[in-house]
Amino acid sequence: ETGVTQSPTHLIKTRGQQVTLRCSSQSGHNTVSWYQQALGQGPQFIFQYYREEENGRGNFPPRFSGLQFPNYSSELNVNALELDDSALYLCASRIEQESTDTQYFGPGTRLTVL
Amino acid sequence: GQQLNQNPQSMFIQEGEDVSMNCTSSSIFNTWLWYKQDPGEGPVLLIALYKAGELTSNGRLTAQFGITRKDSFLNISASIPSDVGIYFCAGLSGGTYKYIFGTGTRLKVLA
Repeated sequence: ETGVTQSPTHLIKTRGQQVTLRCSSQSGHNTVSWYQQALGQGPQFIFQYYREEENGRGNFPPRFSGLQFPNYSSELNVNALELDDSALYLCASRIEQESTDTQYFGPGTRLTVL
Repeated sequence: GQQLNQNPQSMFIQEGEDVSMNCTSSSIFNTWLWYKQDPGEGPVLLIALYKAGELTSNGRLTAQFGITRKDSFLNISASIPSDVGIYFCAGLSGGTYKYIFGTGTRLKVLA
């Protein structure tokens, strides 16, 4: 039990739609990262938010965007969904002042795009 | 996206056997991490390594940070059925926040 929760657990969308995924971090965790994990692959870093601002991004297009809120929750938004966006989306939270390894992952949201 | 190479991709072993897996990169990392992921769960951190040559244990798990800083190794001794899962390595370069994960080693234990 990492104290990080994600919703929904599963989601089915069609190509071209928009989706919002949610993550609730542990209290005090001021940094949240989002990852995309395709079937049979390792997680791929999407972006990181610190104190409600994006402060790092992986190789993902602008249609992937996020928000972080003062109550330690965050969102991942994906516009104009494509079939290749089907994946497990993981959020991970930590306290910025602590060492970078103490990053706690949520169980993920399984997104299927038809 | 960039991923680290993990070997083997999958393995079947008998309960009680020792397991070895490795992770290699073309880039240098300052931190190596090993995670285990069970079905329907997010990755759980097993071991973190911070210095080249470092050898760290966590129960039956032992991991090493390669001298070249481009590889890492994970050993599991006396495997048990609950060791089943996917093991991922992840590297972190100095001054960055961007974890690069490996392709995973899928471990299956035969009782």
